[in-house]
Amino acid sequence: GDSVTQMEGPVTLSEEAFLTINCTYTATGYPSLFWYVQYPGEGLQLLLKATKADDKGSNKGFEATYRKETTSFHLEKGSVQVSDSAVYFCALLSGGYNKLIFGAGTRLAVHP
Amino acid sequence: EAQVTQNPRYLITVTGKKLTVTCSQNMNHEYMSWYRQDPGLGLRQIYYSMNVEVTDKGDVPEGYKVSRKEKRNFPLILESPSPNQTSLYFCASSKVPSGNQETQYFGPGTRLLVL
Repeated sequence: GDSVTQMEGPVTLSEEAFLTINCTYTATGYPSLFWYVQYPGEGLQLLLKATKADDKGSNKGFEATYRKETTSFHLEKGSVQVSDSAVYFCALLSGGYNKLIFGAGTRLAVHP
Repeated sequence: EAQVTQNPRYLITVTGKKLTVTCSQNMNHEYMSWYRQDPGLGLRQIYYSMNVEVTDKGDVPEGYKVSRKEKRNFPLILESPSPNQTSLYFCASSKVPSGNQETQYFGPGTRLLVL
């Protein structure tokens, strides 16, 4: 079945460091891909999405490119801030049932 | 403000005592869904509903029930909770899936502890 694999955390960075969180997927067809973020004590918020190959999603300085050839959707940010500390989930939208398949999540901690 | 609301936000209960977690959305979305979040497993779908009176099982439906009598509400029912249902629960909603492009909006979560 469809699945998403994320790099394990926690990821600990200093402020202004470059961030990459790896995400690869297995799916039949051409799923839409998402990054959701969960700030401490809050629900999930959509960070960005891409709906077809080579699309780049971007928001709040974060970017991810839908790479069909490598089945990847890695999240990047050039300069992280303390306020980016959160858990990040990669997900794909599966089939015709609108079911999101999530990765296990990656916790990011950014220190001043 | 467009939102998905859940109640309660926190709940401690004992094994076997029936409980209901409510979910409501004000975006006139047809599709609603429940997920549970567990460490190292991400979120897994429990049940979903494509519209009023149309519900179906997700990946982990055992021990749960749902109903969809109105478009805006999608309660999650635990008839006889057990400790393995201790988890963080999220409700989500979206428009009817169209080409896999519909974004799901999530509620704030309900943290449940079953003793």
